[in-house]
Amino acid sequence: GESVGLHLPTLSVQEGDNSIINCAYSNSASDYFIWYKQESGKGPQFIIDIRSNMDKRQGQRVTVLLNKTVKHLSLQIAATQPGDSAVYFCAEKSGGSYIPTFGRGTSLIVHP
Amino acid sequence: ETGVTQTPRHLVMGMTNKKSLKCEQHLGHNAMYWYKQSAKKPLELMFVYNFKEQTENNSVPSRFSPECPNSSHLFLHLHTLQPEDSALYLCASSQGQLGNTIYFGEGSWLTVV
Repeated sequence: GESVGLHLPTLSVQEGDNSIINCAYSNSASDYFIWYKQESGKGPQFIIDIRSNMDKRQGQRVTVLLNKTVKHLSLQIAATQPGDSAVYFCAEKSGGSYIPTFGRGTSLIVHP
Repeated sequence: ETGVTQTPRHLVMGMTNKKSLKCEQHLGHNAMYWYKQSAKKPLELMFVYNFKEQTENNSVPSRFSPECPNSSHLFLHLHTLQPEDSALYLCASSQGQLGNTIYFGEGSWLTVV
C-alpha cells in the first residue's frame, strides 16, 4: 500500500555539524510535503513545506530537497544546535486527499 | 504558543470514568482534527471536522466521541476506555483542506488505569 517512511530511526550528530534527515514516499500522486519537528513533551511543530513543482526550498537554517524521480524527500539542518534535538516527521498529501500521511519519525540527537 | 490550545495537558482516568479533552484554536481555521500518538507509531488520524461537520471517522471505537460545536472548538469525550488507549492525543487545525498545513496543539497525555 501507499506509505511514507523514514530511513533511520535515530541520527546522532555533533553540535555545529550539518544534519540530513531522509524520507521516502511511495505515492506518486503526492504533491505536497511537510516537515514537522516534535520536541519532547510537545506537539509537532511545522518547519517547512514544499510542493511537487519545486525541488528545493530554503528556510532559516533548513533546506528541504525533493526528488520526485526516486520519491525521496530530505531535510537538511545547517550548523545543528542542541535545541534541534527532537523527532522529525515528514508528511505527504496528494491532490486527491486533504489528510496528510505521516511517517514514523527520526530522532535527532545533537551532542554538545 | 501554537495557536491551538489543548486542556488538560495530563489526564489520568479509570476505565469506568467519563472525561473530556478540549481543544481551542485561535487561528481562524475551519478544519479541526484529533490524532492519537502512541510510542513508536506514526500519528493516527481519528476524526476530522470541517466547518463543524464531521468529514472523517477513521474507524475509531465508539468509546471515543468527538464534538465540534463551532469551528474554533473541538472536544473528545472519553468513556470506558482501555489501558491501551493511553497515549498522547493531539488536536490540530488547518485553513481549508486541500494543500494547507496542519498546525498542532501541545497534546493531552492520557493514562488509563
